[in-house]
Amino acid sequence: DTAVSQTPKYLVTQMGNDKSIKCEQNLGHDTMYWYKQDSKKFLKIMFSYNNKELIINETVPNRFSPKSPDKAHLNLHINSLELGDSAVYFCASSQEASGRDQYFGPGTRLTVT
Amino acid sequence: LAKTTQPISMDSYEGQEVNITCSHNNIATNDYITWYQQFPSQGPRFIIQGYKTKVTNEVASLFIPADRKSSTLSLPRVSLSDTAVYYCLVGEWYGGSQGNLIFGKGTKLSVKP
Repeated sequence: DTAVSQTPKYLVTQMGNDKSIKCEQNLGHDTMYWYKQDSKKFLKIMFSYNNKELIINETVPNRFSPKSPDKAHLNLHINSLELGDSAVYFCASSQEASGRDQYFGPGTRLTVT
Repeated sequence: LAKTTQPISMDSYEGQEVNITCSHNNIATNDYITWYQQFPSQGPRFIIQGYKTKVTNEVASLFIPADRKSSTLSLPRVSLSDTAVYYCLVGEWYGGSQGNLIFGKGTKLSVKP
């Protein structure tokens, strides 16, 4: 059983499009996160949700919006995609809101052409 | 989040013990030290976490001196499958910090036969 799953694994789209990446965790964790790993391999947190409340909102463009229908899901919606959005996006979850001991998903490689 | 400094890369041979040191001179009182492992095309995987002195689990040991300005991840008797990037992360994220929560480039460990 996959602890943290993401769909799709690969996403190729054109500039200007709107796309969503889904994330689900079956660990019963209270907090979920979205990270972006760029071409230089820097892994940077974008958002985290704890009990449906946004507790960390990194300074990302407002084209990115996290949506959490329930505690087990945190989806990432991206509007008006740009070339610079190309990266690998990782979803993660943890039991504590402190961010310790996170479990990561397999990643979604987004390519914007 | 405290800034961390790690060696960019390390080489080792199978069966050897590997020690990866991370410097974090501006670590705060509430900060924990966490290490993650990342294989190519996968999300990071939690290895170990500690606050002070020594922590050991089935995978690794973490040594933290009294001043906590550095930490050393110790991998006993590495194998080829330990070839990965290892990230040191220091911080206490709860509280909605707007700081740059970036993993950094990590240390690329290459284990040779």
